[in-house]
Amino acid sequence: EPEVTQTPSHQVTQMGQEVILRCVPISNHLYFYWYRQILGQKVEFLVSFYNNEISEKSEIFDDQFSVERPDGSNFTLKIRSTKLEDSAMYFCASSVGLEGTQYFGPGTRLLVL
Amino acid sequence: GNSVTQMEGPVTLSEEAFLTINCTYTATGYPSLFWYVQYPGEGLQLLLKATKADDKGSNKGFEATYRKETTSFHLEKGSVQVSDSAVYFCALSVGGANNLFFGTGTRLTVIP
Repeated sequence: EPEVTQTPSHQVTQMGQEVILRCVPISNHLYFYWYRQILGQKVEFLVSFYNNEISEKSEIFDDQFSVERPDGSNFTLKIRSTKLEDSAMYFCASSVGLEGTQYFGPGTRLLVL
Repeated sequence: GNSVTQMEGPVTLSEEAFLTINCTYTATGYPSLFWYVQYPGEGLQLLLKATKADDKGSNKGFEATYRKETTSFHLEKGSVQVSDSAVYFCALSVGGANNLFFGTGTRLTVIP
């Protein structure tokens, strides 16, 4: 069964460093998403992406975040200058259509020291 | 605003026990409601959903009924198995928007 994959599974970085989290959505899906979950808190929507542009973003998704689909398979989340409070589990998801079921990857656990 | 509140975990049950995980919501519009499950080392998987009031979503012996009058979508299963051990997330989306609003998740452990 097709699945969403994410790499790396864990990443440790120093505050102020840039990180790129990678996702490979399901191949025929057109909508892509990033969510995050800070430990003990809710899973929060960050951004959705369709047709090579952002379709929605939350207030969390500020200028330090960016997303890109650099080729036909990868979907990336870049955090330009990480802060301690960016430590969280980051989930990628994809769906066929706007109201289609979102399929999630296993997540990347980011720790900022 | 839009938000989901679900019961705090962790929940530990013996095999074949009855499960209820409570979920209530607030929404600015007419929401669709979801339960996602995350097994260890895997991504969140859609377990069931309901898109209008009084709809019952069901899958793998789990069910939840969309109760508009109590703004609730409680997850139930009559007889849990060890393989049901996972984290369960209640979520909503509103107005065809493609972002989901999640609860904090409830960890269920089922012991033999």
